[in-house]
Amino acid sequence: DGGITQSPKYLFRKEGQNVTLSCEQNLNHDAMYWYRQDPGQGLRLIYYSQIVNDFQKGDIAEGYSVSREKKESFPLTVTSAQKNPTAFYLCASSNNPGHSTGELFFGEGSRLTVL
Amino acid sequence: GQNIDQPTEMTATEGAIVQINCTYQTSGFNGLFWYQQHAGEAPTFLSYNVLDGLEEKGRFSSFLSRSKGYSYLLLKELQMKDSASYLCAVMDSNYQLIWGAGTKLIIKP
Repeated sequence: DGGITQSPKYLFRKEGQNVTLSCEQNLNHDAMYWYRQDPGQGLRLIYYSQIVNDFQKGDIAEGYSVSREKKESFPLTVTSAQKNPTAFYLCASSNNPGHSTGELFFGEGSRLTVL
Repeated sequence: GQNIDQPTEMTATEGAIVQINCTYQTSGFNGLFWYQQHAGEAPTFLSYNVLDGLEEKGRFSSFLSRSKGYSYLLLKELQMKDSASYLCAVMDSNYQLIWGAGTKLIIKP
């Protein structure tokens, strides 16, 4: 079945450690996104990529990094520079607008807790 | 600035009808989306409106008025499994999604 797979589902990190969240899709979508979700707030865009080897900062990119070496994969690294990393992280993909409605397909999410 | 407003929480009764409103102010408009998100899970796509009017899909309908910057999601014949958060999102002129904070819908028997 086609879809998006995020791992790990739950992750605990000590302060000062970098962690990498995995996101893989087999939908053949060009665009991939990372969002952060906090209670009482809308989804906030961290980074997005519309094509392999290219990515753009979203609204809250500070303290995060990404790579897009393959179309299927868009890993997110939460660095020690991110001051408040405890959150629910969602990866998504879509066909680029103009080819479809731009509907997003989400992974199951990764819940990161900093101890 | 860009802004999406929707009520924080609503309560409805099983079998009834509920309307969840969303108002928006964005830089351009390329469509409005509604997503459903159960607690601790990923959002799933419900509807997309780009032209004014009502789009019906089974028990769920979505309405758009671009001149008023307004949309609503109408849920009929409510079931307990409809208890979830409903997220409104608008695609702006740069094809970026601006998200509302979501409306938590509580269904009571």
